[in-house]
Amino acid sequence: KNQVEQSPQSLIILEGKNCTLQCNYTVSPFSNLRWYKQDTGRGPVSLTIMTFSENTKSNGRYTATLDADTKQSSLHITASQLSDSASYICVVSARDTGRRALTFGSGTRLQVQP
Amino acid sequence: DTGVSQNPRHKITKRGQNVTFRCDPISEHNRLYWYRQTLGQGPEFLTYFQNEAQLEKSRLLSDRFSAERPKGSFSTLEIQRTEQGDSAMYLCASSLAFEGKKDYTFGSGTRLTVV
Repeated sequence: KNQVEQSPQSLIILEGKNCTLQCNYTVSPFSNLRWYKQDTGRGPVSLTIMTFSENTKSNGRYTATLDADTKQSSLHITASQLSDSASYICVVSARDTGRRALTFGSGTRLQVQP
Repeated sequence: DTGVSQNPRHKITKRGQNVTFRCDPISEHNRLYWYRQTLGQGPEFLTYFQNEAQLEKSRLLSDRFSAERPKGSFSTLEIQRTEQGDSAMYLCASSLAFEGKKDYTFGSGTRLTVV
């Protein structure tokens, strides 16, 4: 069964600090992995997308890594800002198999405090 | 094109009433997905369309739920005889169906509260 597990479930950090969120997956056949940011009451917004051959991808202060051998990914946030407070969802895509193409994690809820 | 649009943003309804949500995808996207998200959880797949054809439905989609995409553009999700357990955020996403990186774009969702 395709699964995506995220840790920690929630995290509180002080503004300006760095943090790393983890994602482990068992999705096959793997196509790509995405990180989404979801503000409360809003739809998810894509941060990064990585395919099998990509180890790292940056989007401003967000850097995602992918280890396809161990099936692990991380999202590193540098110099956090209050606006980073949100849920971060790891989504793994299987190769074109219809709806099974997307498996969502439950998310990590990040709270950045002043 | 301003992305995926969902209406209404919020809906409060009494138990037993019917509700209908609308999703307008990005115009050139031929795939449209419906998801349900409860508090603290990731989205759960409900159903998806490729053009006007509904290709797959989740077991979560009971017979009280029906979705349509009559002309392959906008889609509607109807819930009949709503129950309190239907309270959730209903998300719509669209994408192009092509090999390689699929660019899924989500709408802001419709938050349903059944009282």
